[in-house]
Amino acid sequence: LAKTTQPISMDSYEGQEVNITCSHNNIATNDYITWYQQFPSQGPRFIIQGYKTKVTNEVASLFIPADRKSSTLSLPRVSLSDTAVYYCLVGSHTGTASKLTFGTGTRLQVTL
Amino acid sequence: NAGVTQTPKFQVLKTGQSMTLQCAQDMNHNSMYWYRQDPGMGLRLIYYSASEGTTDKGEVPNGYNVSRLNKREFSLRLESAAPSQTSVYFCASSGARTRGNEQFFGPGTRLTVL
Repeated sequence: LAKTTQPISMDSYEGQEVNITCSHNNIATNDYITWYQQFPSQGPRFIIQGYKTKVTNEVASLFIPADRKSSTLSLPRVSLSDTAVYYCLVGSHTGTASKLTFGTGTRLQVTL
Repeated sequence: NAGVTQTPKFQVLKTGQSMTLQCAQDMNHNSMYWYRQDPGMGLRLIYYSASEGTTDKGEVPNGYNVSRLNKREFSLRLESAAPSQTSVYFCASSGARTRGNEQFFGPGTRLTVL
């Protein structure tokens, strides 16, 4: 399973755009890049997933360069409720079970 | 739909005691997972079940056993609890209709072993 590296923590003010970059130099051809969000005392929650280029949904965008060795999660205009830990994961999902490897994540603190 | 439910929410054990953590999902998912999360750390996979009737070891299976009772339920058993097993335990599930690496997590069981 590909190892990921991401910043331990980030701070932002409410209303700003936040970009969290993840490095995954040994990503395999079949691997997808997935981001999860975890609030204190809760289980992680899926945010977004992509394979290459750009993916956008109602809460975030995911930018993946052509070499796929890194990815950037972009959160537009964050609010206090976006304070959480964000995990970048890479892995394939062949078959019906996906074995995910969580790193230590990036702790995002949003303040007024 | 309740999603993924876990019982109990909290548990305190003495070293050497045994207990079973229960997990159930009502999303008709084939795959279920057990993770543990130590303070300040990411989640680590203990066991998973790709489908009813099958189970496989994850990253940290030692000291644990699992049972996939039916499609809905996946239990985790600690036969002889140790202080090193103090952690928060999360159950998750995924199915053929979910996005590739999307897993749905339960609220967790906070376990303390004295």
